[in-house]
Amino acid sequence: EIVLTQSPDFQSVPPKEKVTITCRASQSIGSSLHWFQVKPDQSPKLLIKYASQSFSGVPSRFSGSGSGTEFTLTINSLEAEDAATYYCYQSSSLPLTFGGGTRVEIK
Amino acid sequence: QVQLVQSGAEVRKPGASVKVSCKPSGYIFIGYYIQWVRQAPGQRPEWMGRINPNSGETRYAQKFQGRVTMTRDTSISTAYMELSSLRSDDTAVYYCARAPGVSGYFDYWGQGTLVTVSS
Repeated sequence: EIVLTQSPDFQSVPPKEKVTITCRASQSIGSSLHWFQVKPDQSPKLLIKYASQSFSGVPSRFSGSGSGTEFTLTINSLEAEDAATYYCYQSSSLPLTFGGGTRVEIK
Repeated sequence: QVQLVQSGAEVRKPGASVKVSCKPSGYIFIGYYIQWVRQAPGQRPEWMGRINPNSGETRYAQKFQGRVTMTRDTSISTAYMELSSLRSDDTAVYYCARAPGVSGYFDYWGQGTLVTVSS
């Protein structure tokens, strides 16, 4: 199965700063990589699909890039409401697999 | 708007079974796959399988083969995930999610159902 390695595990970032989260796949997955956000007591929310396509309604400060084995989620100008855990997952092959998550704290 | 509402928290003893429901609204139930994902405490999310609500066709992760059953009732637009022979390491939050295609992203998720397995 494809292993996804996210880094870092945790980031504490001041408001308005930029956040970069990396997701590395153990083998090439093309662009079949997606990002979602999880906040306590809320449903997970899709942010980016197929590496770089923003999902409807997602603020423009969220963007994704990459292909093959290396992917990045960027949050430009961090806002207080962005405090959450972010996960990548791949749909290139079964079983679908997930990264270990990156918790983002607002400093 | 699209919503997936799951059943409430459950507590089971080891060896028992649990059945979690997922009732979507805001779209045509049979038009989208339902995927199931779980997340145990301190662990990364784990894909369990999917069901095509239109045909009832299922695909399960090998890890859960033989223990998981995904079904749907189109008359009430509800999907179910039943996990049997529960163990303590099945303690997790179980999510359903909508997927536009057989393989791809999940665009809307349920709120999660905590299943606790404890003697």
